[in-house]
Amino acid sequence: DVVLTQTPPTLSATIGQSVSISCRSSQSLLHSNGNTYLHWLLQRPGQSPQLLIYLVSRLESGVPNRFSGSGSGTDFTLKISGVEAEDLGVYYCVQGTHAPRTFGGGTKLELK
Amino acid sequence: EVQLVESGGGLVQPGASLKLSCVASGFTFSDYWMSWVRQTPGKTMEWIGDIKYDGSYTNYAPSLKNRFTISRDNAKSTLYLQMSNVRSEDTATYYCTREGFAYWGQGTLVTVSS
Repeated sequence: DVVLTQTPPTLSATIGQSVSISCRSSQSLLHSNGNTYLHWLLQRPGQSPQLLIYLVSRLESGVPNRFSGSGSGTDFTLKISGVEAEDLGVYYCVQGTHAPRTFGGGTKLELK
Repeated sequence: EVQLVESGGGLVQPGASLKLSCVASGFTFSDYWMSWVRQTPGKTMEWIGDIKYDGSYTNYAPSLKNRFTISRDNAKSTLYLQMSNVRSEDTATYYCTREGFAYWGQGTLVTVSS
């Protein structure tokens, strides 16, 4: 199975600070069809996960553009440019290139 | 508005069987692959499997394929997860998700305990 390693496991930030989360894969996530199925989810406290970014860098409809994704192959990054209070929660990367689909261990974003 | 509503969870004894349902609305259910994902009490996310839009093909996590079965009824816009011989490690919140993890239900909690 593909292992996704997220760092850091916990991130403390102040409002307005920019932060980044890393997701590293044990195998390349480039599919034979040319797509890279690496997505980012946010789970706010007490809520279900929601999709933020899909296919590495595409912003899901309704998601603020302070969120951005980048990367290729095995290394991926989620960046929040100016954290807001509503961004607190746990971020997960998930890959859909290989079966079985797998998730990162999560990064908890909390207020400093 | 896309909605996914899971049901069927609860307290079950080890070795028992349980069937979860997920009713979809707000989109054409028969156009999309659907998945089940579970989240353990420690917040670990695990993909269980998925099913093709017409129900003709399923994929499973290897560790679960002998005990879990995914099916769907497109006429009822409903996704199912049949769980058999459940174990304590199956205790989790179970979510149904639409293709690409784009939409998630609110989840249904399954607790396996004697």
